[in-house]
Amino acid sequence: QSVLTQPPSASGTPGQRVTISCSGSSSNIGKNYIYWYQQFPGTAPKLLIYRNSVRPSGVPDRFSGSKSGTSASLAISGLRSEDEAVYYCTTWDESLSGPVFGGGTKLTVL
Amino acid sequence: QVTLKESGPALVKPTETLTLTCTVSGLSLSSARMGVSWIRQPPGKALEWLAHIFSTDEKSYNTSLKSRLTISKDTSKSQVVLTMTNMDPVDTATYYCTRSPANIAVAGPHYDSWGQGILVTVSS
Repeated sequence: QSVLTQPPSASGTPGQRVTISCSGSSSNIGKNYIYWYQQFPGTAPKLLIYRNSVRPSGVPDRFSGSKSGTSASLAISGLRSEDEAVYYCTTWDESLSGPVFGGGTKLTVL
Repeated sequence: QVTLKESGPALVKPTETLTLTCTVSGLSLSSARMGVSWIRQPPGKALEWLAHIFSTDEKSYNTSLKSRLTISKDTSKSQVVLTMTNMDPVDTATYYCTRSPANIAVAGPHYDSWGQGILVTVSS
C-alpha cells in the first residue's frame, strides 16, 4: 500500500493527451514539491518532472506537471508509442521524514 | 556527468547482512551538490526509498527500516556503502543508488542520475 495513490494503468491512442493523477495528503504533496519518474522495463527510472512542473533538459515539452492542494498530475500530450512506460510520482513526507512513492501507473499506447 | 554503479552480492541467505557499494564518478562525494540515496524495487512492484547521505555527512533513513540500515561514504574512494541486516526473502529487489543535487530533506526526492541497479535475491 503506497502512501501516494496512482491509478495502476492508463491508456491512450497516438496523438491523444493523457493525464496520470497522484493523490496524497497534507503531510506530503500538500507541503512539498512533486517529482515524476519514467521507467521502461528492465531499466532504471529517469527523472521526468521536478519541482511540480519543471522539465529537465532533454525531456520533451509534451510532458507537463501540475499540483493543486494534495494532488498532482502528469500530462502527456501528443502521445507516442515510445511513451509506453511506468510513471511514478514521489515527494517528501513530513510525517515519515522521508520520500514516499506512488504505486506507479503503467501507460499503454493503443 | 555523474555516473553511479552498484556492486554487491546477487544472492544472500535469510538472516545474513547485505552490503552494497555505490561507486560514483564525475563528481566528488564532498561536493556541495552531492547527495546519494539508495532506492529499491521488488520485482514487479513500486519504488521504495531506503536511505540518503549528503555531502555534509548528514544521513536519513526510511523509518520502517531504520533499525536494519546503515549508510556511509568513503570520499577518497568515491563510494557510498549501504548495509542491511537480517535479510529476508521479502527484501528481494533491484537496489539502485541515485544522485541528488541537494539534500533531499530540503529539496525533495530529486534524483537526476541513477545506477543501473543490482538485483539481490534472498534465498536459502
